[in-house]
Amino acid sequence: DIVMTQSPDSLAVSLGERATINCKSSQTLFSTSTYRNYFAWYQQRPGQPPKLIVSWASTRESGVPDRFSGSGSGTDFTLTISSLQAEDVAVYYCQQYHSSPVTFGGGTKVQIK
Amino acid sequence: EAQLEESGGGLVQPGGSLRLSCAVSGFTFSSLYMTWVRQAPGKGLEWVANINQDGTDKTYVDSVRGRFTVSRDNTKNSLYLQMNSLRVEDTAVYYCAGGAGWLADKWGQGILVSVSS
Repeated sequence: DIVMTQSPDSLAVSLGERATINCKSSQTLFSTSTYRNYFAWYQQRPGQPPKLIVSWASTRESGVPDRFSGSGSGTDFTLTISSLQAEDVAVYYCQQYHSSPVTFGGGTKVQIK
Repeated sequence: EAQLEESGGGLVQPGGSLRLSCAVSGFTFSSLYMTWVRQAPGKGLEWVANINQDGTDKTYVDSVRGRFTVSRDNTKNSLYLQMNSLRVEDTAVYYCAGGAGWLADKWGQGILVSVSS
């Protein structure tokens, strides 16, 4: 199974400041046949189901604010929130959908400092 | 807008069975690859099972294989998870989710399954 390792486990950022979350996979998530990274980010606000915010490592989903950006390729990926807002308080999960079983990272809790 | 609503959860004793359902509306259900994901209390997300659009391809996480069965009825726009031989460690909120392939962009609110004596 592909292991997804997120860091940090939690972080506290001031409103308007940048938040950066990292995720590392134990195997490459890049497909040489499709030239795509099979990697996604989800946001889970308290008491809510997860919400897909970034797919294919860097494609922001419709309606997701442009302060969210995904980057990386292969085994190393990053989610950046350029200017943290109060509504961004949540746990963020990375996910690989390259190989079965689909696996998630352990989550990163983002709070306001 | 797609809506997914889980039902069938509750409290069950170890070794018991439960059948979860997920009713999908606002989207062409038969076009969706469907997934069950669970979240133990205070823990992270765990993918449980997938089923393809016509129900011919099913995959499971090792911990539930042989105990859980995923199925769907495209005439009823519904997804199911039959859970047998339940264990305490199966206690979790179970989410149904759908999308193109293993990437789930539509999620239900979740349903709690508690396994306890």
